Amino acid sequence: DIHLTQSPSFVSASVGDRVTITCRASQETNNYLAWYQQRPGKAPKLLIHAAFTLQDGVPSRFSGSGSGTEFTLTISNLQPEDFATYYCQRLYDYEVIFGPGTTVDSK
Amino acid sequence: QVQLQESGPGLVKPSETLSLTCTVSGDSIRNNNYYWGWIRQPPGKGLEWVGSMYYRGVTVITYYNPSLKSRLAISADSSKAQLSLKLTSVTATDTAMYYCGRLLRYSAAAVDSWGQGTLVTVSS
Repeated sequence: DIHLTQSPSFVSASVGDRVTITCRASQETNNYLAWYQQRPGKAPKLLIHAAFTLQDGVPSRFSGSGSGTEFTLTISNLQPEDFATYYCQRLYDYEVIFGPGTTVDSK
Repeated sequence: QVQLQESGPGLVKPSETLSLTCTVSGDSIRNNNYYWGWIRQPPGKGLEWVGSMYYRGVTVITYYNPSLKSRLAISADSSKAQLSLKLTSVTATDTAMYYCGRLLRYSAAAVDSWGQGTLVTVSS
């Protein structure tokens, strides 16, 4: 059973903080991994794909890293609009897998 | 700028068929740089990929979530710029926000564009 895990599940942070979210894959494949942000009541928004490629229009305080089975999303200098839930996602064969999500809320 | 708009009934009875349509503007669903697909999200829960498709010549190639494959059909009509989803024998566990999305075919199906979503409730 192929799956993604995210840690932590919840993080309480303050504006200006640096937040790091980890996504671990149960199986290694290529180094393609995507990160999404979802604000309440809104559709998800692609932040990063191919592990570290920032999507057009996404602020540079978001960055991605990692390879193999462990990947990281870092938000530096957290802004009020960054309080949201973040999901990782990979492709295995032709099956799209999402992680369970990490919620960043205000401390 | 691509736009995706989901449409369909908001309420479906148990055991019946859920049918949704996604209308795409600003891009062609024949654009082979992308898959086109469906992602759903039960209330208060995480994201679940439903299925994807792309055109190989005149043929629509589909990929389905293994857990839904026996009940699911995704089709497309490029003349109408639409893709469709049919999910049969629905139960309350199929209650979710259903999103239509454009997936980057050459970046592991990252979903770079999303519709606003349509909430489907399965209830009698």
